[in-house]
Amino acid sequence: NAGVMQNPRHLVRRRGQEARLRCSPMKGHSHVYWYRQLPEEGLKFMVYLQKENIIDESGMPKERFSAEFPKEGPSILRIQQVVRGDSAAYFCASSPRNPGTSTDTQYFGPGTRLTVL
Amino acid sequence: DAKTTQPPSMDCAEGRAANLPCNHSTISGNEYVYWYRQIHSQGPQYIIHGLKNNETNEMASLIITEDRKSSTLILPHATLRDTAVYYCIVRDQYNFNKFYFGSGTKLNVKP
Repeated sequence: NAGVMQNPRHLVRRRGQEARLRCSPMKGHSHVYWYRQLPEEGLKFMVYLQKENIIDESGMPKERFSAEFPKEGPSILRIQQVVRGDSAAYFCASSPRNPGTSTDTQYFGPGTRLTVL
Repeated sequence: DAKTTQPPSMDCAEGRAANLPCNHSTISGNEYVYWYRQIHSQGPQYIIHGLKNNETNEMASLIITEDRKSSTLILPHATLRDTAVYYCIVRDQYNFNKFYFGSGTKLNVKP
């Protein structure tokens, strides 16, 4: 009964390169959330996706960042032309039910630590 | 969105109960209180959640005041492995999908 999987666990990129972060939700979960955590800060919501749909991307920067959750395969968070300020831990969470139901718990993966040189 | 206020840090002796307070004075009637913890930059770990009644599971107990303006997470017998940042979260009332993580409480369990 595997939990949320994220890879890679550590990613190093030079400024201007692209970063692709992957998230496989728990079995049976069809809702995925991405969060970013800067050093010494709490997690900040970025985007919420269901299969093939972006439901809420209000926390996502307008440029360079995109996310998808295809019908088959993991969810991908993509950062184009990375800058040093993108260095952070990126966490993915999944949940089994529609948010807004009486009890909806998000389960988090181990995160991807992105370092931009 | 409802905000939470937590002390930045607390100490607890190993084997003793750890009581972590949280204020959420603007919480609305249908919002749940969730607790997560983050051990040494790992992914946040779900602990417990509740609406009005006190809740208990194998990890902790959650005590919510009658007016729901504050709550306390209780770890009955803290161990060194409980050293972590503990986050008290109130679900966003307009967008249930988001969890707002504040700064949390750094709990230091000492031998």
